[in-house]
Amino acid sequence: DGGITQSPKYLFRKEGQNVTLSCEQNLNHDAMYWYRQDPGQGLRLIYYSQIVNDFQKGDIAEGYSVSREKKESFPLTVTSAQKNPTAFYLCASSDEGQGRVGYGYTFGSGTRLTVV
Amino acid sequence: GQNIDQPTEMTATEGAIVQINCTYQTSGFNGLFWYQQHAGEAPTFLSYNVLDGLEEKGRFSSFLSRSKGYSYLLLKELQMKDSASYLCAVREGVKTIFGAGTRLFVKA
Repeated sequence: DGGITQSPKYLFRKEGQNVTLSCEQNLNHDAMYWYRQDPGQGLRLIYYSQIVNDFQKGDIAEGYSVSREKKESFPLTVTSAQKNPTAFYLCASSDEGQGRVGYGYTFGSGTRLTVV
Repeated sequence: GQNIDQPTEMTATEGAIVQINCTYQTSGFNGLFWYQQHAGEAPTFLSYNVLDGLEEKGRFSSFLSRSKGYSYLLLKELQMKDSASYLCAVREGVKTIFGAGTRLFVKA
């Protein structure tokens, strides 16, 4: 079955350490996205990629970095420069670039990052 | 800029109908989505509106008025499993902006 996989589900890190969150999809989607969700707030866009080897900053990119070397993979690194990294991180993909805008995003199950 | 407003919480009774409203202000509207999100889980796609009017899909319907910057999600024959957050999201260009969500509690 096709889908989008995020790992790990829970992640604990010490303050000042970089950490990389994995996101893999086998849906053959061109576009991939990273969102952050905090209690009482909507999903906020961190980075997005419309095609392999290209990505753009979203609304809250500071302290984060991404790469898109393969169509299937879009890892997110939370760096020590991110002031408040504890949050629920959601990866999503879509085939909007292939004309299927009305089908929405497919989300992964999320990674809950806690920095202590 | 973008601004999406929806009520924080709503409560309804099993078997009833509930309407969740969403108003938005955007610089470049390109469609509106509704997602359902159960606690601790990923959002799942419910509906998409790009033209004015009502889209019906089983127990769920979604309405859009572009001139008013307004949408609603209508849930009929409520079931306990419908207790979840409902996220209104607006597409601007190639980005999708999400509202904070409405937490719906369905009581017996």
